[in-house]
Amino acid sequence: AAGVIQSPRHLIKEKRETATLKCYPIPRHDTVYWYQQGPGQDPQFLISFYEKMQSDKGSIPDRFSAQQFSDYHSELNMSSLELGDSALYFCASSLAGEGDTQYFGPGTRLTVL
Amino acid sequence: AQTVTQSQPEMSVQEAETVTLSCTYDTSESDYYLFWYKQPPSRQMILVIRQEAYKQQNATENRFSVNFQKAAKSFSLKISDSQLGDAAMYFCASPNTGANSKLTFGKGITLSVRP
Repeated sequence: AAGVIQSPRHLIKEKRETATLKCYPIPRHDTVYWYQQGPGQDPQFLISFYEKMQSDKGSIPDRFSAQQFSDYHSELNMSSLELGDSALYFCASSLAGEGDTQYFGPGTRLTVL
Repeated sequence: AQTVTQSQPEMSVQEAETVTLSCTYDTSESDYYLFWYKQPPSRQMILVIRQEAYKQQNATENRFSVNFQKAAKSFSLKISDSQLGDAAMYFCASPNTGANSKLTFGKGITLSVRP
C-alpha cells in the first residue's frame, strides 16, 4: 500500500538560511499534519490542513509557514533558520471518517549548522 | 486539552516473554480513539494498534493487544512473545477534540529486548 512520502529525507542548512520540506499524503487522504520531534522528545504538532485549508495550528514559529496544494501535497517553509530548529519533521495524513488514524511519513531530518 | 501520560521511561523484556506498557490519558470526550505508535532506531513512526473508545472489546493485532479501561482512562499495550525487532520507543497518543485533530503524545517508553 502507498505510504506518506517526504522529501528530502535529510537536509543540512546554515543559520539564517531557508528550508522547504515537502509531503505527499497517502492517495485519497484529505488531511495533512506536520509535527516536529526534537532529540529524545515526543512529536509536537505544528500545523494541519483539511481539504487544502488550514485546520489547526500548534506551536509553530512565525518564521515557519505551510500550505497544501491542489494535488493535496503540502510544503513546510522555514526561514531564518536557528540552531534550535534542528529536529526530525514528520508529515502525517489521514482520511476523514477513518477514526483520526494518522499515518506518518519517514520524516525529514533537518540539521542547522 | 488532552493529556497523555507514560510514567515509565524504560522497560526491558526477555525475548519470547510478555511485556505491558502503561499509558493513562485525560479527555472530556465520550467517543474517541487511542493509538500506540512504535518508533524504532530508524525513527519512523509506525502505527501499532488503535482502540475505539465506544467499543467494549480490546483491540488486537497479532502479538499486540491493548487493555483499555475507559473509566480509569487507562490504555496499556501488551506485547506477547517479544522479539528482538520489538525493541523501540513506544508512544501512546490521543487526538484532541473534533475530527481530524492533532495527536497529543505521551513522553514515550524505551523498550529493550534481551536475547
